[in-house]
Formats: sequence, C-alpha cells, structure tokens
Amino acid sequence: NAGVMQNPRHLVRRRGQEARLRCSPMKGHSHVYWYRQLPEEGLKFMVYLQKENIIDESGMPKERFSAEFPKEGPSILRIQQVVRGDSAAYFCASSPGKIGLIAKNIQYFGAGTRLSVL
Amino acid sequence: QQQVKQSPQSLIVQKGGISIINCAYENTAFDYFPWYQQFPGKGPALLIAIRPDVSEKKEGRFTISFNKSAKQFSLHIMDSQPGDSATYFCAAVFQTSGSRLTFGEGTQLTVNP
Repeated sequence: NAGVMQNPRHLVRRRGQEARLRCSPMKGHSHVYWYRQLPEEGLKFMVYLQKENIIDESGMPKERFSAEFPKEGPSILRIQQVVRGDSAAYFCASSPGKIGLIAKNIQYFGAGTRLSVL
Repeated sequence: QQQVKQSPQSLIVQKGGISIINCAYENTAFDYFPWYQQFPGKGPALLIAIRPDVSEKKEGRFTISFNKSAKQFSLHIMDSQPGDSATYFCAAVFQTSGSRLTFGEGTQLTVNP
C-alpha cells in the first residue's frame, strides 16, 4: 500500500510563473490536507479538501493560491504568478475519513514538494 | 485559541540520555495529540499519539505524558540514539471533525554519539 505521493519533489520557477503541485492520497483515503513549511519554521495549515469539495481554506492566501481534489485524479495545489516568498516546502497529508472515530483523522504525510522561486 | 506552544527550540543530548520535549495547548476542545518526527528533506512521519482521556502512552523508547488539567503534554525519548536526531513536532487536532493539525514550532534534537 503506497503512501502519500507528491510530485514533483523539487520545482523551480521564475517569478511570475505558475506552480502546480500534485498529491495522490493513500489508497482508501478521501481527505486531503495541504501544509506549507517555510525555511526554519513549523508547518502551517493551508487547505482541507474532500473529493470535489473544499472543506476549509482558511489558511490559504486569498490571492494566487487555489486547490482542488477532483473526483478522479490527484489533488492539485496551484500557485499563480509566484513570488520569492512562495519558496517553501509544501506537504500534503491524507486521512482515511470514516473508519471509526479513532482512526478518522490520523494524517499521513507525503515527502513534500520543495518550491524554489528564482 | 488554536495555538500549540512547544519547547525547547533545540535540544542536545548524549547517547543513552533522555530527551524531553514539552508542549502546551489552549483549546480544550482538542481531542487528539500526535507527535511527528521529521528528518531533513523528508515529510513528517507520525511517531506516537495520545487522546486526552489517557495520562500516558508508551511505544518502545517513546512515551507521551499528558496533563489534561494543565493543558500540557510531553514527549520522552528514553535511551536516545544518534539516529533519533531529527526535528520533532507536537500537534493537536479535533479528531472527530476531520480538521487541520495545529503544530507546535518544532524542536531540533541532536543526539551526540
């Protein structure tokens, strides 16, 4: 059973370009979370999605950032017109949803995508 | 409030010693407290977790102690090894509502041989 898969592992963009980060959750998981880790800092929540629905996007910057989790395919975090301050590691986590109360929100993380903006 | 405060920021321990990392939370509605271990260039990996109705949980060399009245919990690593050198994050979450993890700031642990 493969873990949470993120790609690409490393992404280099010039200022003003678009960055698209992909996340495939663990098999059987229907909940996806995106977190951002700035250099030498902790992890900050960005957005929580279930299939075809955004549940909580309160941690997402209001402009340039968007996320989706379509019925088929991976979850996508999209950053338009990137700036140097967007350089960070972006982690995706997934959880199983309704498999009993105890297991519902155990979040498993991918290896991350490290975005560098030149 | 949703904050989780973690200390110390960095910790150096000799091989075989005990590493202790502390966290405090504010929101009493949190009902699940996981610890994550992160090696450089890797994603956080779930290490051990506890619910607030339990005062202690032990898995191998790792123990969580939980003080509900003080709203504090701590990670103890017994017989610390150089391979334990990593960054450790405590977190809190509303287990039953499928919400975000609120992380502490992280502790960079170095275990010297």
